[in-house]
Amino acid sequence: GQQLNQSPQSMFIQEGEDVSMNCTSSSIFNTWLWYKQDPGEGPVLLIALYKAGELTSNGRLTAQFGITRKDSFLNISASIPSDVGIYFCAGRPSGGDSNYQLIWGAGTKLIIKP
Amino acid sequence: DAGVIQSPRHEVTEMGQEVTLRCKPISGHNSLFWYRQTMMRGLELLIYFNNNVPIDDSGMPEDRFSAKMPNASFSTLKIQPSEPRDSAVYFCASAPSLGSSDYTFGSGTRLTVV
Repeated sequence: GQQLNQSPQSMFIQEGEDVSMNCTSSSIFNTWLWYKQDPGEGPVLLIALYKAGELTSNGRLTAQFGITRKDSFLNISASIPSDVGIYFCAGRPSGGDSNYQLIWGAGTKLIIKP
Repeated sequence: DAGVIQSPRHEVTEMGQEVTLRCKPISGHNSLFWYRQTMMRGLELLIYFNNNVPIDDSGMPEDRFSAKMPNASFSTLKIQPSEPRDSAVYFCASAPSLGSSDYTFGSGTRLTVV
């Protein structure tokens, strides 16, 4: 079935550093989404992307829909302690019967070193 | 709105017992999704409903799992009989429509089967 490769699996960074993570797929997607999950909670939508090349910001977060429509990345600038959590990419494949199902990446766990 | 409400937050049960997880979606949302999250398999879509009708249950792992949505404000996921390998966090999410990317997740039910 459809799979998303999300990397890195985890990141250990210093407070104030910039963070970058990405997702790639084997097929074309028409929607890319980035979610964040805090411990003990469900994922929360951060950014949604709907067009190839689209670059969207949400505060210190910036995400882009890749030109090939097979990848997306998320950047976090000047990380702060509350950025800790698991970041998931998700996407909706273009065409086919599974239009309504989101495909999820395995997550990137962000840890900030004290 | 209180968001998506799931109960219970935690459930510990013995192998062989019936388990029922409950979800109240956001009022006005027409689509409801049940997910399971484990370290090994990440987020897995189990089943989803649109306008209270099950659309795709191909993610339900076995016949021991069943889900219902008797009305627009309530859904249940039942496991009978439960097994230790069913231990996971179960999330319910709702969205305005089937094609919407704006999923709102509940806080999840952490199920432990001993």
